[in-house]
Amino acid sequence: SQKIEQNSEALNIQEGKTATLTCNYTNYSPAYLQWYRQDPGRGPVFLLLIRENEKEKRKERLKVTFDTTLKQSLFHITASQPADSATYLCALLSGGYNKLIFGAGTRLAVHP
Amino acid sequence: DVKVTQSSRYLVKRTGEKVFLECVQDMDHENMFWYRQDPGLGLRLIYFSYDVKMKEKGDIPEGYSVSREKKERFSLILESASTNQTSMYLCASSSTARGYNEQFFGPGTRLTVL
Repeated sequence: SQKIEQNSEALNIQEGKTATLTCNYTNYSPAYLQWYRQDPGRGPVFLLLIRENEKEKRKERLKVTFDTTLKQSLFHITASQPADSATYLCALLSGGYNKLIFGAGTRLAVHP
Repeated sequence: DVKVTQSSRYLVKRTGEKVFLECVQDMDHENMFWYRQDPGLGLRLIYFSYDVKMKEKGDIPEGYSVSREKKERFSLILESASTNQTSMYLCASSSTARGYNEQFFGPGTRLTVL
C-alpha cells in the first residue's frame, strides 16, 4: 500500500544552523510533492511545491529537493530561527481533484 | 487575503449526538476536503467534494457524511458521535485551475465526544 514516512522524532537544532527534514514514500509515483508548515492548534499552511521533473526548488531560506529514484524529498531551512519552530508536513498528489496524502509530520524546534 | 473558516474552534458533544461541522471558503474553489488529525497519524482524508452536490469518500468515511449545497460551503456530519471521533477536524479547499495545486486550510475544530 502507499506509504509516506517522515521522521516522527522531533528535530532540535541551534539557531543559525540548517535544518534538514526527510520525506520518504513507497508504492507511489507522484506528479508533485508539497511541503506545509503547521503551528500548534492551527491548520497547515502551504510552503512549496516541487514537480517530478524538478530536482530542486528554492524560496527565500527554504530549499526542497525531490529524488524520484530514491523516492525521497529533503526540506532544508537555512539560517534557522526560533520562529521556524513548527511541524512540517510533506504531501503527495494522490489522484484527481488535487487530492493529497499527508505524512504525519516532523516537529522542528530551533533553540536560541 | 484568501480564507477558509470553520464554524467552531472547540466543540464538546455527548455520545450519540448528531454533530455538524461547517466550513466556508471565499476563494471560489471547486474542491473542498475534510480531514481529521490525530497524534502520530497525520491528516487522514474523510471526504472530499469537487463540485456542488458532488462528493467522494476519502480513506476513513465510516461514521461520517457530508453535504455541499453551495460552492462555498462544505459540511461534515457525524450522524451519531462516538468517543473514537474525538479529534481535530480540518477543512481545506483548492482550485482546479492549472498551476494552483495547494490546499488552503481552515483553523480546525477540536471536537471532544464524551
